[in-house]
Amino acid sequence: AQSVTQLGSHVSVSEGALVLLRCNYSSSVPPYLFWYVQYPNQGLQLLLKYTSAATLVKGINGFEAEFKKSETSFHLTKPSAHMSDAAEYFCAVSRGQGGKLIFGQGTELSVKP
Amino acid sequence: EAQVTQNPRYLITVTGKKLTVTCSQNMNHEYMSWYRQDPGLGLRQIYYSMNVEVTDKGDVPEGYKVSRKEKRNFPLILESPSPNQTSLYFCASSSRLAGGSYNEQFFGPGTRLTVL
Repeated sequence: AQSVTQLGSHVSVSEGALVLLRCNYSSSVPPYLFWYVQYPNQGLQLLLKYTSAATLVKGINGFEAEFKKSETSFHLTKPSAHMSDAAEYFCAVSRGQGGKLIFGQGTELSVKP
Repeated sequence: EAQVTQNPRYLITVTGKKLTVTCSQNMNHEYMSWYRQDPGLGLRQIYYSMNVEVTDKGDVPEGYKVSRKEKRNFPLILESPSPNQTSLYFCASSSRLAGGSYNEQFFGPGTRLTVL
């Protein structure tokens, strides 16, 4: 069975600081991995995805994530936080075929001025 | 504009009063899905559909029904809503890729449902 664990339900950083949101997955088959962002009162927007090509994936808004099979991790990073990055972030895994997404519980990112 | 739309966006109802939340996509996607979002639990899949007339249960299907009579529409039906179905609901869709896998999912704006 597949599962996703996001470490830390709330993360707070200062504007300009590094953003690191942690995601570990469990999958018995090669996974497809996704990061979605949810701004207040909005739906989910895809930030980036890993589909077995390059292990370092670049997404929108300066975010990137690295797939590490040995650590079963797919952590999301951004070198310099901006106030507009404040949102809830979800990591998700799928087996590719079938389309079903398994989501982590989400991490709320706060950015302090 | 490519999008997934949901209606209504907000709904307050009472226990036992049947309701339908509509979902429509204009991207000709084969796959559609309903999720509910609850604090601390992330999003959990309720039902999904791989194509017209093909639907299946997700992880939390109890108390819900769906239908897929047309490719673009995937309504969620609550025959007898209960307070534990108070939640934020999202519809999503994705396209099927060559080889049988699916592309990333596009999400609607959400429907906030309160059952009193």
